[in-house]
Amino acid sequence: EIVLTQSPDFQSVPPKEKVTITCRASQNIGLSLHWYQQKPGQSPNLLIKFASRTISGVPSRFSGSGSGTVFTLTITSLEPEDAATYYCHQSTGLPHTFGQGTKVEVK
Amino acid sequence: QVHLQESGPGLVKPSQTLSLSCNFSSVSISTDVSYWTWIRQPPGKGLEWIGYISDNRVTYYNPSLTSRVSISLDTSRNQFSLEVTSVSAADTAFYFCSRYSGGSFDFWGPGMLVTVSS
Repeated sequence: EIVLTQSPDFQSVPPKEKVTITCRASQNIGLSLHWYQQKPGQSPNLLIKFASRTISGVPSRFSGSGSGTVFTLTITSLEPEDAATYYCHQSTGLPHTFGQGTKVEVK
Repeated sequence: QVHLQESGPGLVKPSQTLSLSCNFSSVSISTDVSYWTWIRQPPGKGLEWIGYISDNRVTYYNPSLTSRVSISLDTSRNQFSLEVTSVSAADTAFYFCSRYSGGSFDFWGPGMLVTVSS
């Protein structure tokens, strides 16, 4: 099973500031890494797929990068509505696995 | 756009079988195969992939659950279902149905809480 480890577990950031979340895979997963946003009481929502491909309707302040074993989700200018938990997910091997989540609080 | 909606009992007794259904809207013709998926999330915790079933009814399950899980698909009713046998308190979670296509889980249902308790 491929283990995904996110850092940090929690971030409290003022509005308009930059947020960076890292996801590390226990083995090489190429570009098969995807990011989701989950707001309280809601289901997850796909933000980025295959490390850096944008999804229609997702604000341009969200971007992804990385390959192999280290990946990054960046929010360039944090908005109040970005308060959520963010999860990475790998689709290289079964079972599908997720990172433990990073909770982002807007100060 | 694909809409999904979970349904089923919100309370199940220990040792019994948890049964949920997911109704999905019709899917437009696509070159990508759809895998109809179940994912769960214990309250306050992270996401766990349970398994999925492809359009041609091939199933894949998480090895941690494979002995207790079954997923089926009824395309005539645009519905797929989950069964988890011999449940315990550890199976208490929000259960989400989702579609896996083109490499990611692109559409999700709102989720429903299933509590295992006597």
